[in-house]
Amino acid sequence: QKEVEQNSGPLSVPEGAIASLNCTYSDRGSQSFFWYRQYSGKSPELIMFIYSNGDKEDGRFTAQLNKASQYVSLLIRDSQPSDSATYLCAVGRAGGTSYGKLTFGQGTILTVHP
Amino acid sequence: KAGVTQTPRYLIKTRGQQVTLSCSPISGHRSVSWYQQTPGQGLQFLFEYFSETQRNKGNFPGRFSGRQFSNSRSEMNVSTLELGDSALYLCASGPPGRGITDTQYFGPGTRLTVL
Repeated sequence: QKEVEQNSGPLSVPEGAIASLNCTYSDRGSQSFFWYRQYSGKSPELIMFIYSNGDKEDGRFTAQLNKASQYVSLLIRDSQPSDSATYLCAVGRAGGTSYGKLTFGQGTILTVHP
Repeated sequence: KAGVTQTPRYLIKTRGQQVTLSCSPISGHRSVSWYQQTPGQGLQFLFEYFSETQRNKGNFPGRFSGRQFSNSRSEMNVSTLELGDSALYLCASGPPGRGITDTQYFGPGTRLTVL
């Protein structure tokens, strides 16, 4: 079992629709959760982070965390063609051997078509 | 505030050579992490430095090493390059930890090609 798994893509949605990206993780000690967006040929760009169970909203983006189910998701409302990218879920935990280490999923490719 | 900078942006080397990559974190950030990104393996953690000390290391061979200077700038070195070392090498900086892995901001990366 991979440590962080994301829903297999690619995911294609029409412009204006809601895109739903999902991620599960295996380490119950995980405490920090991140979503990054990576355009082709570019480096990952932070979109959202979430530490507590529940929802966190930032503009068109909503991150949802359920630690009991070891599940984190990202909703993108009113999707735009400029949202087309690879979305990476990343998970971190407390110090010790986990200092500075994020474990990434394989990424989900999202395409928003006009 | 200036972002994370990495130099060089592109490198072409041949097998057996060594390479040094540089990373300057965001001002005030003292934690620097390095990752390797390949199409097959995705993003994999190499190591993390904080206050000139390596606090964590990923599962990479000893050919991969790094260091951090007193101004928080970091370098990573890969010796005896192999074809499989061709990858995008990413540096990420973060503020001092609060006991959990804090937000990391990535630099533009160094694209290394080994021929």
